[in-house]
Amino acid sequence: GAGVSQSPSNKVTEKGKDVELRCDPISGHTALYWYRQSLGQGLEFLIYFQGNSAPDKSGLPSDRFSAERTGGSVSTLTIQRTQQEDSAVYLCASSRRDRGGEQYFGPGTRLTVT
Amino acid sequence: SQQGEEDPQALSIQEGENATMNCSYKTSINNLQWYRQNSGRGLVHLILIRSNEREKHSGRLRVTLDTSKKSSSLLITASRAADTASYFCATSFNNDMRFGAGTRLTVKP
Repeated sequence: GAGVSQSPSNKVTEKGKDVELRCDPISGHTALYWYRQSLGQGLEFLIYFQGNSAPDKSGLPSDRFSAERTGGSVSTLTIQRTQQEDSAVYLCASSRRDRGGEQYFGPGTRLTVT
Repeated sequence: SQQGEEDPQALSIQEGENATMNCSYKTSINNLQWYRQNSGRGLVHLILIRSNEREKHSGRLRVTLDTSKKSSSLLITASRAADTASYFCATSFNNDMRFGAGTRLTVKP
């Protein structure tokens, strides 16, 4: 039974390095979302995909952040030249159609920038 | 902002007691959803209430929605230690959905 999966589950990187985070949504879900959550905080929206296009990328905090989605399925969030303030849990979610429905979340990737 | 805001930020109760969490928002909504998060990882959807609904139940959960006051409440009855988690409301309108900052619930055995 395939839920949303994310990899890696944990990533420790040195400041200045690039990282790639991967999300495999539930098969058939057309909508995909990336969120960021700092320790003890709420969810910060990053980007929303409908199919392979991103109609809303308003939450990306800087041009060091980018994301793509291919084949209407897997998505990759890339952070270039990581900074310590990028340390957080990055959560991916998917939903069947549009953005207003129930979202299914992956377990997240905990990113630590040293 | 459309984003929901939960209160209280933190709630601590004894097992068996009821827990009530509130969510307020500022704009129109199509629906409002409640999610639960354990240990800072993935969220789990609990319940969705549409803008034309006033109350919904699911097991020990009861959600109310008052669109005139732009507020919702989540009631967990007969709480258990396993209900300890963070609870988030999310508001949806015109293909946009935003999460609030959450309420941290601790249920003491």
